Amino acid sequence: KQEVTQIPAALSVPEGENLVLNCSFTDSAIYNLQWFRQDPGKGLTSLLLIQSSQREQTSGRLNASLDKSSGRSTLYIAASQPGDSATYLCAVTKAAGNKLTFGGGTRVLVKP
Amino acid sequence: DGGITQSPKYLFRKEGQNVTLSCEQNLNHDAMYWYRQDPGQGLRLIYYSQIVNDFQKGDIAEGYSVSREKKESFPLTVTSAQKNPTAFYLCASSMSGGGRGLVGELFFGEGSRLTVL
Repeated sequence: KQEVTQIPAALSVPEGENLVLNCSFTDSAIYNLQWFRQDPGKGLTSLLLIQSSQREQTSGRLNASLDKSSGRSTLYIAASQPGDSATYLCAVTKAAGNKLTFGGGTRVLVKP
Repeated sequence: DGGITQSPKYLFRKEGQNVTLSCEQNLNHDAMYWYRQDPGQGLRLIYYSQIVNDFQKGDIAEGYSVSREKKESFPLTVTSAQKNPTAFYLCASSMSGGGRGLVGELFFGEGSRLTVL
């Protein structure tokens, strides 16, 4: 059974510092990995999707890497801003249209 | 603009009552999902459907039921058999063929918060 872990559960950084968020999974036979952002009381917003054949994806200040063989993904957020404060979740799936398994999330606070 | 609509946003229920949460999408996605989120916890899968008239149990299906009569709609019923139904419920959809987004990319609604009185 796939298990996804995100450590640390919470993180606090001063504005301008780079953020590094970790995600690990136990079964390397994945189809893709997604990173999401969730604001309090809201749904999830997709940030980046990495297909199993890819090593990384970039969108603006966000960069996500994937090392399938070691079961790890890292989300980098450059030059953090207070607006980046949210919970970040990663999830993996074995096939398109199949169920996703989520990590517990990392709650991020960026202090002005 | 396309998206996923969940209703109601807030719902209060007395013990012993069934309630139905609505989820509608106009993204032309084949797959739809229901997740439950409890405070400080990750998302747990209740049910998912990969195609109309077919659905599978997730990790915590007991006390819940679903239907998938139309591609656009995937309502979730929380029955009186669900022991601890107070939670935040999230509906999602993804493309496995045509539709908006990348194949396998998950889109979420804004959620429905259910409170049992």
